Amino acid sequence: NAGVTQTPKFRVLKTGQSMTLLCAQDMNHEYMYWYRQDPGMGLRLIHYSVGEGTTAKGEVPDGYNVSRLKKQNFLLGLESAAPSQTSVYFCASSSLLGLAGLAVYEQFFGPGTRLTVL
Amino acid sequence: GEDVEQSLFLSVREGDSSVINCTYTDSSSTYLYWYKQEPGAGLQLLTYIFSNMDMKQDQRLTVLLNKKDKHLSLRIADTQTGDSAIYFCAEMAGGFKTIFGAGTRLFVKA
Repeated sequence: NAGVTQTPKFRVLKTGQSMTLLCAQDMNHEYMYWYRQDPGMGLRLIHYSVGEGTTAKGEVPDGYNVSRLKKQNFLLGLESAAPSQTSVYFCASSSLLGLAGLAVYEQFFGPGTRLTVL
Repeated sequence: GEDVEQSLFLSVREGDSSVINCTYTDSSSTYLYWYKQEPGAGLQLLTYIFSNMDMKQDQRLTVLLNKKDKHLSLRIADTQTGDSAIYFCAEMAGGFKTIFGAGTRLFVKA
C-alpha cells in the first residue's frame, strides 16, 4: 500500500495563478481532509469530505475549492493564488480503528506539498 | 470554542525524560491523540487515550490525562536523538474531525 500520496511535492506560483493539488489514498477510507500548516499555528482544516461526491468547509476555506469525484481522490484547488496561501499543505484520510465499537478515527497523512506564492 | 494549546519548544539531553504538555477545551472529546511529525514528513499517530482513562503506557511512552483540568501530557522515557520531532496534541471534536495544537518541537541534545 502506498498510503496517502500527494502531488506535487513543491510548487512556486505567481499571484493570481491557479493550480490543483492532488491527493490519493489506497486504503478505502471514507473520510478525507485538506490542512494547511503554518509556523506556530499547527494544522488548520481547509475542507473535508465524508464520502465520494460530498465536501464541506473547514476552519479556513476561503480561497480554496475541493472536489471528491472518486472515493480515493481528493483535489484542492486554488483559483487565484495569493501570498497568504504560501504554506505546507497536507492531505489526510481517516480510518475507523473500531476499538470496542467506538470510533477512534486515526488520520493518515500524506508527505505534504510546499507551496510558495510570490 | 474548541482549542488545543501546547508550548512550542522543549529541549532535553539524550537519556533524560521528556514531558510535553497540552491543554484542551472540549470536555466532550472522546479521544485525545499525540501525533509525531518528523522533518519533511506528514504526521503519524503516536498514541491515543480514551477520555475515561487516566493513564496509558506504551513502551517508552506514557500518556497522562487529567480530565478535570483538561490537561494531557506525553512522557518519553530515555529520550533518544531519533525522538527529535514536532509532537502534536489533538482532540477529536464532533465525530471524525480532529483539532490539532500548534505542535511542540522537541530538541534532543547528544
